Amino acid sequence: EAQVTQNPRYLITVTGKKLTVTCSQNMNHEYMSWYRQDPGLGLRQIYYSMNVEVTDKGDVPEGYKVSRKEKRNFPLILESPSPNQTSLYFCASSPGTGGHLNYGYTFGSGTRLTVV
Amino acid sequence: DAKTTQPPSMDCAEGRAANLPCNHSTISGNEYVYWYRQIHSQGPQYIIHGLKNNETNEMASLIITEDRKSSTLILPHATLRDTAVYYCIVRALTTSGTYKYIFGTGTRLKVLA
Repeated sequence: EAQVTQNPRYLITVTGKKLTVTCSQNMNHEYMSWYRQDPGLGLRQIYYSMNVEVTDKGDVPEGYKVSRKEKRNFPLILESPSPNQTSLYFCASSPGTGGHLNYGYTFGSGTRLTVV
Repeated sequence: DAKTTQPPSMDCAEGRAANLPCNHSTISGNEYVYWYRQIHSQGPQYIIHGLKNNETNEMASLIITEDRKSSTLILPHATLRDTAVYYCIVRALTTSGTYKYIFGTGTRLKVLA
């Protein structure tokens, strides 16, 4: 089944403790992206990747890192999490480097992160 | 940046058509309008997209005004499972020459039994 898999689904952590949220897609998509969703703010893009070893900042990249060493994986790294990073996170992928929403932009099921 | 404006919430009776409006007055001439929906806190799901002409698929119809400054998503026979947040999205060109999609806060559609 074609899908984007995020892990974990739920995570509670303490301030300053490094964590990684994994994202993997099995569709051979070139474009991958991370979003965070907060009440009243909709979905905001954190980082995106046009292809292996090509990443760029989205709208809210502060406090996050990403890497794209393989096509299928696009982990989101929080080096020193803070409470303002408590949010619902989504990974998404699409074929092609343009990240076109009409070309089967597929979202993962989400990761609910709480930083205390 | 191209932006969209949607009503924050709407109600619709089950079995009736749900008409969700969207304003995108700053859309560029060659930019598509996309509609996605999000049920509960699941990942958003693609519904439909269009450029100038009206579009229809098995999920919905999309009506785009001639001046392209607004559009309407139509769910012809809404069911309780259509209760969700609906996002009207346009693409914006970034300063680095790539594109980003502005999701906004969407319209929370509640289908009533």
